[in-house]
Amino acid sequence: GDSVTQMEGPVTLSEEAFLTINCTYTATGYPSLFWYVQYPGEGLQLLLKATKADDKGSNKGFEATYRKETTSFHLEKGSVQVSDSAVYFCALSDSAGNQFYFGTGTSLTVIP
Amino acid sequence: GAGVSQTPSNKVTEKGKYVELRCDPISGHTALYWYRQSLGQGPEFLIYFQGTGAADDSGLPNDRFFAVRPEGSVSTLKIQRTERGDSAVYLCASSLQPGREYEQYFGPGTRLTVT
Repeated sequence: GDSVTQMEGPVTLSEEAFLTINCTYTATGYPSLFWYVQYPGEGLQLLLKATKADDKGSNKGFEATYRKETTSFHLEKGSVQVSDSAVYFCALSDSAGNQFYFGTGTSLTVIP
Repeated sequence: GAGVSQTPSNKVTEKGKYVELRCDPISGHTALYWYRQSLGQGPEFLIYFQGTGAADDSGLPNDRFFAVRPEGSVSTLKIQRTERGDSAVYLCASSLQPGREYEQYFGPGTRLTVT
């Protein structure tokens, strides 16, 4: 069945460092791919998404490109801030968009 | 406007008891989803409603779990004969329409602890 494998954490970076969180997926058909973020004490929020191969999702300085050839959707940010400290979840939806599959989450801590 | 709300925020119950968890979606959202998130894991799909009907309940782990959405708005997740393994955070999400084009908005969750 469909699934998402996400880089395990926790990840600790200094402010202004480069961030990569790896995500690979297994799916039939043409899934959409998502990154969700959960800030401390808050609910899950959509960070960015891509609905077809080679699409790039971007938001708040974060980017991820839907790579069908490598079945990947890695999250990147060029310069992280303390306020980016959160748990990040990679997710995919099946072709119909009715079921969503989440990775296990990667905790990021950015230190000043 | 108001987001997705869930009540209670915390629920502690004894093994074998019955519990109900409530979700109030964003007004006008036709699609509603329930997920379960165990410690250190990502959310796991349970059931999805389109309007009043359960369009996909394939994620419900067994027949002790049941959910309703009688008027196409508020939904209740019901768990009978609770077990310690049911302890988790139960998340609700809603979207304007079903489908991958529409963002899911998540509630804060209900933390269920079965003792």
